[in-house]
Amino acid sequence: NAGVTQTPKFRVLKTGQSMTLLCAQDMNHEYMYWYRQDPGMGLRLIHYSVGEGTTAKGEVPDGYNVSRLKKQNFLLGLESAAPSQTSVYFCASSYRRDRGNQPQHFGDGTRLSIL
Amino acid sequence: GNSVTQMEGPVTLSEEAFLTINCTYTATGYPSLFWYVQYPGEGLQLLLKATKADDKGSNKGFEATYRKETTSFHLEKGSVQVSDSAVYFCALPNDYKLSFGAGTTVTVRA
Repeated sequence: NAGVTQTPKFRVLKTGQSMTLLCAQDMNHEYMYWYRQDPGMGLRLIHYSVGEGTTAKGEVPDGYNVSRLKKQNFLLGLESAAPSQTSVYFCASSYRRDRGNQPQHFGDGTRLSIL
Repeated sequence: GNSVTQMEGPVTLSEEAFLTINCTYTATGYPSLFWYVQYPGEGLQLLLKATKADDKGSNKGFEATYRKETTSFHLEKGSVQVSDSAVYFCALPNDYKLSFGAGTTVTVRA
C-alpha cells in the first residue's frame, strides 16, 4: 500500500527555472494539500484541493500554482523558481470532513534547492 | 479559526526519562485532536488521535488525553528511547485544513 507518493525526492534548480512536483495518493481521498517546511517556520500551507478540478489558496500561495485534474494526483508548479523557494515540500491527503475529523496522510517530502 | 499552541523546545533527555510536551487548543465545538511525529529525513506520521473529550489516544508508548476543561492535549511517554528522537506536532482540524503547532524537537541521549 503506497499511500502518498511524491516525486522527485530531491531537485536542484537555478533561479528562473520552472518545475512541477507530483503527488499521487492511492487511498481515494477527496482532499489534498501542499505544504512547505522551513527551519523555525513549522509547516505552512501553500495550496489545497477539496476535490477533482478544484483548488484553493493556503497561507503562502505566491509563486506557486497547482492543478488537480485527477482525483489521485495533485501537482505543484513553480513557474520561475526563486532562492526563497528553497524548502522541503510535503504533500498530504485526507478524506473529506463529512466523514468526521480525519487525519492527513503525508508523503516523504521533496527537498528542493534553488541556486 | 481553530488553533493550537505547542511547547517549542528543543527538549533533550536521557534514555528512560519521562517526556511531556504541552499542547493547548482554541476551537469551536469539539474537534478531533492529533499528534504527529516526524523522524529525521521523513514526512509526518500520525502518532495518535482523540476524537472527543476525555478520550485517551495511545501508540508506541505515547499517550495524550483530550481535556475539555483545560483545553489541552499534552503528549506523554514514561520512558523514552533514543529512537524517539524526532519532531512532534500537535494539530487539529480548521475548516478544510489542519492547524499545526510549531513543532517540538526532542533529542534522546543514550
